[in-house]
Amino acid sequence: DGGITQSPKYLFRKEGQNVTLSCEQNLNHDAMYWYRQDPGQGLRLIYYSQIVNDFQKGDIAEGYSVSREKKESFPLTVTSAQKNPTAFYLCASSAGLAGGHEQFFGPGTRLTVL
Amino acid sequence: GQSLEQPSEVTAVEGAIVQINCTYQTSGFYGLSWYQQHDGGAPTFLSYNALDGLEETGRFSSFLSRSDSYGYLLLQELQMKDSASYFCAVRDQGQAGTALIFGKGTTLSVSS
Repeated sequence: DGGITQSPKYLFRKEGQNVTLSCEQNLNHDAMYWYRQDPGQGLRLIYYSQIVNDFQKGDIAEGYSVSREKKESFPLTVTSAQKNPTAFYLCASSAGLAGGHEQFFGPGTRLTVL
Repeated sequence: GQSLEQPSEVTAVEGAIVQINCTYQTSGFYGLSWYQQHDGGAPTFLSYNALDGLEETGRFSSFLSRSDSYGYLLLQELQMKDSASYFCAVRDQGQAGTALIFGKGTTLSVSS
């Protein structure tokens, strides 16, 4: 079955540590996205990538980094520079520019900083 | 900048009809999307309106008025499983057109 997988589902981290969240898709989608969701809030865009080896900052990119070395994979690193990293992180993909209105989401990773 | 406004909460009973409104401000506009998210889950795509009018998909319909910068999601024959958060979203012109800007969401509670 095609879809998006994120791992791990729950992640705990100590302050000052970097952590990488995994996102893989087998939908053959060109575009991939990372969003952050805080309780009672909408989704805020962290980074997105429209094609391999290219990515763009979203509204809240500070303290995060990404890579897009393969079409299927778009990992997100939460660095120690991110002041308030505890949140629900969602990865999504779409069929590129024409399909950007319909994004397919992974199950999310809930990050807690201890 | 771009912004979307939608009510924070809506309550209804099973079998009823509910309308969730969304107003938006954008520098450019491709269309309005709607997503559903159950508590703790992933958002799922419901509908998309690029042109004025009503789009119907089963019990759910979505409406758009481009001249009023306004849309709504209409849910009919409500069921308990419809209790969820609903988000409207627009394409972000400032981000080369593929990324979405989401509203803060409307929590729908359906009671028996």
